[in-house]
Amino acid sequence: DTAVSQTPKYLVTQMGNDKSIKCEQNLGHDTMYWYKQDSKKFLKIMFSYNNKELIINETVPNRFSPKSPDKAHLNLHINSLELGDSAVYFCASSPPGRYEQYFGPGTRLTVT
Amino acid sequence: SQQGEEDPQALSIQEGENATMNCSYKTSINNLQWYRQNSGRGLVHLILIRSNEREKHSGRLRVTLDTSKKSSSLLITASRAADTASYFCATDAGSNYQLIWGAGTKLIIKP
Repeated sequence: DTAVSQTPKYLVTQMGNDKSIKCEQNLGHDTMYWYKQDSKKFLKIMFSYNNKELIINETVPNRFSPKSPDKAHLNLHINSLELGDSAVYFCASSPPGRYEQYFGPGTRLTVT
Repeated sequence: SQQGEEDPQALSIQEGENATMNCSYKTSINNLQWYRQNSGRGLVHLILIRSNEREKHSGRLRVTLDTSKKSSSLLITASRAADTASYFCATDAGSNYQLIWGAGTKLIIKP
């Protein structure tokens, strides 16, 4: 299946822990994104990578660190998790020169 | 980043009726997109309309764009239960292909 995939789908963890979310796309896209969607459904861009290079880095705590080992993967590592980090995190990708974005299924992160 | 505004925030209609959602934005754009999000799922791209287009169709979807009013509408005709979802508009931010997202309209189709 051609798609954007994320793992895990659900992540429940305690405050202070460090966790990672992985994203992979096999669509051949050059650009990948991480979004945070809060409980009110607001969608906020966090990071964007183009061909493994960081191009968007919105104001997010430096506890969040993206890593792109190759243009098909964009992982998100979060240090010292806080209650306010609880949200659904979406990975997305877009083809070169296009605005349409293709989203993964989301990772629901719950910090207790 | 700034967000567009969508109205209504929630809309509940009977199956078979038409559903209209509106999106307003603040700055000049190159294009505007509409996405659907089913409960517990990722967003799915529906349609993109460019700033020099006034109307676009895709199946039961009709999108209009009024750049003078900085607004767009999404019309879903002959609604079905499967159309129950949240609908988001997104405009380009002018650089890096970043999008500015609306807050979404939650659409419920009653059987």
